Amino acid sequence: SQQGEEDPQALSIQEGENATMNCSYKTSINNLQWYRQNSGRGLVHLILIRSNEREKHSGRLRVTLDTSKKSSSLLITASRAADTASYFCAMPFTGSARQLTFGSGTQLTVLP
Amino acid sequence: NAGVTQTPKFQVLKTGQSMTLQCAQDMNHNSMYWYRQDPGMGLRLIYYSASEGTTDKGEVPNGYNVSRLNKREFSLRLESAAPSQTSVYFCASSDAGQVFYGYTFGSGTRLTVV
Repeated sequence: SQQGEEDPQALSIQEGENATMNCSYKTSINNLQWYRQNSGRGLVHLILIRSNEREKHSGRLRVTLDTSKKSSSLLITASRAADTASYFCAMPFTGSARQLTFGSGTQLTVLP
Repeated sequence: NAGVTQTPKFQVLKTGQSMTLQCAQDMNHNSMYWYRQDPGMGLRLIYYSASEGTTDKGEVPNGYNVSRLNKREFSLRLESAAPSQTSVYFCASSDAGQVFYGYTFGSGTRLTVV
């Protein structure tokens, strides 16, 4: 069964606004990753945060990890129409180092 | 361009037919994976190969077989296709070094079984 659950399932915002997506998981992990999938394409790795990190930045992306609450969030600042995509959190299966289980994703629509 | 290449991009099969999905990576990665993606269910791991010469079952291996042909290539075979195997299939690869940087995905194979 999937360990990650994402919220919301769908999010629609105006260009220039910030978008926040959340991911909750069930068991301890050593890292959590976020991926983007444009319609009809493969997934693209965005950012990886390790269990000893609380926050990480990459360009307009900010990821937080709260291991006590078993949750992570992805913030995209100053959204653009090109950010329209599905976003997935992923984490290792319990007992695994590299085999990832994915959440069901958040569909983000950025309106021009 | 470096990356993961999947063939074919689209395929329609009749129930009971067999086919092999091909995947090749040119990043010298040790580990390779096959996932399927169904609407509303995210990605589910079918099989993986942690290194050349090894393969292991994932979450949903029934009805599939895999071959790690060499370090570059990892194929997925459907011996007798069923409508429940209609899905989009993704191959991915990752390095097996001390630091894990995540997966590189191919662009997918959209399979329809009628």
